[in-house]
Amino acid sequence: GAVVSQHPSRVICKSGTSVKIECRSLDFQATTMFWYRQFPKQSLMLMATSNEGSKATYEQGVEKDKFLINHASLTLSTLTVTSAHPEDSSFYICSVQTLREQYFGPGTRLTVT
Amino acid sequence: EDKVVQSPLSLVVHEGDTVTLNCSYEVTNFRSLLWYKQEKKAPTFLFMLTSSGIEKKSGRLSSILDKKELFSILNITATQTGDSAIYLCAVGNEKLTFGTGTRLTIIP
Repeated sequence: GAVVSQHPSRVICKSGTSVKIECRSLDFQATTMFWYRQFPKQSLMLMATSNEGSKATYEQGVEKDKFLINHASLTLSTLTVTSAHPEDSSFYICSVQTLREQYFGPGTRLTVT
Repeated sequence: EDKVVQSPLSLVVHEGDTVTLNCSYEVTNFRSLLWYKQEKKAPTFLFMLTSSGIEKKSGRLSSILDKKELFSILNITATQTGDSAIYLCAVGNEKLTFGTGTRLTIIP
């Protein structure tokens, strides 16, 4: 399987600031990574598909100008939450698509105050 | 719109009991159905099912898929307190649609 890391694991920021979350595939070259968001007591919701070397594909209702995704290499995708607001507080999880399965990172808990 | 429904939403049983978790789905582009266990952090992979009627087994956990009736079950026998978690079902091609999960609590 693939080993996926995320950084930071937890971040608290003030409303209006931007936060960058990194997702790294440690042992697999991933052309495709996914970004999910999970609100308390809810399931994972796919936000966007990150494609190496091209623009990300966003799910309906997800603002691409607010959630900036960069997949500059086969091992790194970043999600930047711009001008964060308290309603953006959530658990953000990335996953790596291998030939057969998706492997999830440990997640990043974002709290916007 | 793709849809994955899990039941029950929550389940509380005593240690040693056997539980069955259900997942039904309606998706336009099915490739596989996956079961995950989520404790405090991100989900950990349990099973991937692609073919009907073939049981996948790992220790006390087993799962089977029915592609005609569009559902899957996850069985856990001789439950232990460490089985307490949210169990997520996800279906799709590359893009996964997740169900809301079943919160399983095992009482010692």
